[in-house]
Amino acid sequence: GNSVTQMEGPVTLSEEAFLTINCTYTATGYPSLFWYVQYPGEGLQLLLKATKADDKGSNKGFEATYRKETTSFHLEKGSVQVSDSAVYFCALILNYGGSQGNLIFGKGTKLSVKP
Amino acid sequence: NAGVTQTPKFRVLKTGQSMTLLCAQDMNHEYMYWYRQDPGMGLRLIHYSVGEGTTAKGEVPDGYNVSRLKKQNFLLGLESAAPSQTSVYFCASRGQGNTGELFFGEGSRLTVL
Repeated sequence: GNSVTQMEGPVTLSEEAFLTINCTYTATGYPSLFWYVQYPGEGLQLLLKATKADDKGSNKGFEATYRKETTSFHLEKGSVQVSDSAVYFCALILNYGGSQGNLIFGKGTKLSVKP
Repeated sequence: NAGVTQTPKFRVLKTGQSMTLLCAQDMNHEYMYWYRQDPGMGLRLIHYSVGEGTTAKGEVPDGYNVSRLKKQNFLLGLESAAPSQTSVYFCASRGQGNTGELFFGEGSRLTVL
């Protein structure tokens, strides 16, 4: 079936460290891929997305590249800040011509950044 | 700038009691969703709706009912609450089109004793 697998956390980093959160997917068809972020006490919000192979999504210094050959969408940031502490969710949605299925989420990875 | 609003934000119930969570969106979105979030389980889809008057089951629908009588509102009901339904509930909505972006409410924390 369709699924998203992301690295388990928690991930603890020092400020200005390099971040990678791995995400791989299994999908029938051609999914769009997303990273959502959940700050403490809040709902999820879209961080970035990519809709086709080799697309790179970017926002707030975060990047992820849609790799069809490795079915991956790893999240990276060159220098994390304390304010990046949050839970990060990888997700996919299947596209069926003009319509879409439901979003499928990974289990989330908690990131803590220490000053 | 309300977006997606959930009420109530916190609630404590006793086993067997009933309650309704209300979700309201002001973005004229067609699709609405109810998720629950539990530690180590990520987000699990309870029910969803693809338009006014329609609802469908998600991954974990048992023990919940929903209604979408108006396009802007999506109600989640618990007829007889159980401790296993202690969770944080999130409502989300999205418009038609190919973006797939969901807009989430801030969550409703429910504790069933």
